[in-house]
Amino acid sequence: ELKVEQNPLFLSMQEGKNYTIYCNYSTTSDRLYWYRQDPGKSLESLFVLLSNGAVKQEGRLMASLDTKARLSTLHITAAVHDLSATYFCAVDTGTASKLTFGTGTRLQVTL
Amino acid sequence: SAVISQKPSRDICQRGTSLTIQCQVDSQVTMMFWYRQQPGQSLTLIATANQGSEATYESGFVIDKFPISRPNLTFSTLTVSNMSPEDSSIYLCSVAASGVSPLHFGNGTRLTVT
Repeated sequence: ELKVEQNPLFLSMQEGKNYTIYCNYSTTSDRLYWYRQDPGKSLESLFVLLSNGAVKQEGRLMASLDTKARLSTLHITAAVHDLSATYFCAVDTGTASKLTFGTGTRLQVTL
Repeated sequence: SAVISQKPSRDICQRGTSLTIQCQVDSQVTMMFWYRQQPGQSLTLIATANQGSEATYESGFVIDKFPISRPNLTFSTLTVSNMSPEDSSIYLCSVAASGVSPLHFGNGTRLTVT
């Protein structure tokens, strides 16, 4: 059974600081997705990583994928309050886009 | 990306009753899934809704409890049957245009069972 773990589960950081969220998964996969969820809202797709070494950046967020280590990272640069949300990674099990979601990381950016 | 309309957005139901949730997509999609998100938790896949055939359920979910229909490529329903308070969750419809495209999610149905 595929397991997807994120750490930390909760992250409180000050504006302007940098930090990294980690996503580890237990079986081979070369497709990984990052999503954002605001409180009371649905999920918004952030990044699609489709191969080993893939790196995607959007604004203050950068995601990378190391399929050999079964690890993806979401790096936050110079955090701002608007980035406060819960972030999920999700791994494609290889069967018709079925995704297994990570535990989620709740990010709180304080002034 | 596809626009997904999910109804109802929320409901409060009594124990023992059933609720049917509708998911309408503005374009034809190959893959459609139903997820559950329990309070403060991650998402768990309930089933894949297959067009014109029975849904494919994940471990721990059964058709008698969560019957699913998908009569065409733009519409699906999920019924939560014989509800108990443990069924209180957000239920999310999601679709994918292709095998590598990200899932897009509806706004979810927030269900409370009393």
